[in-house]
Amino acid sequence: GAGVSQSPSNKVTEKGKDVELRCDPISGHTALYWYRQRLGQGLEFLIYFQGNSAPDKSGLPSDRFSAERTGESVSTLTIQRTQQEDSAVYLCASSLWDSPENTIYFGEGSWLTVV
Amino acid sequence: GQQLNQSPQSMFIQEGEDVSMNCTSSSIFNTWLWYKQEPGEGPVLLIALYKAGELTSNGRLTAQFGITRKDSFLNISASIPSDVGIYFCAGPKYQTGANNLFFGTGTRLTVIP
Repeated sequence: GAGVSQSPSNKVTEKGKDVELRCDPISGHTALYWYRQRLGQGLEFLIYFQGNSAPDKSGLPSDRFSAERTGESVSTLTIQRTQQEDSAVYLCASSLWDSPENTIYFGEGSWLTVV
Repeated sequence: GQQLNQSPQSMFIQEGEDVSMNCTSSSIFNTWLWYKQEPGEGPVLLIALYKAGELTSNGRLTAQFGITRKDSFLNISASIPSDVGIYFCAGPKYQTGANNLFFGTGTRLTVIP
């Protein structure tokens, strides 16, 4: 597709289980971002991948959170031993490396509910 | 760290009214961006500002980059029901202007027909 694609769109999981969220960026976009948005709140930066550079992981809230990206394509965000406070929308975005900040495109998000 | 605070947090207005919201920062930004998020969707860019004092319009939307580089406002004229959503300001995480963004706390707009 033409846009950023995320899956699953909705996920309900039991507390303590691991979850994987997937992001397919726009083809050719070298930068990929993960954000978290709790209900009624703003976007919280999690992690940023840029080409082959070491990712910026400064936003990951705990060691239960990790993310990988294969080359300049798909990324997966993994949350281990999920907690109820992990319930949120996880938004992925991508952009071209040499573009100004205004060309970051967001996916529709993966809604995670931990029960 | 850098923080972006938006006000008001929420607004309820009648269709046809004008809307004004703002965003302030504890530190200087070189770029200000305004995004709109509709229910169940990711944020979509509305306006980008690159210079202090810059005033930019996009249809019924007007945004300004504050002279101090620590604030920005967004105005919507003659609001319509489809303006409903959450409006976020954003700025680059690092002063170098790298693509990584800080987002504000958001202003939730409800337009009453």
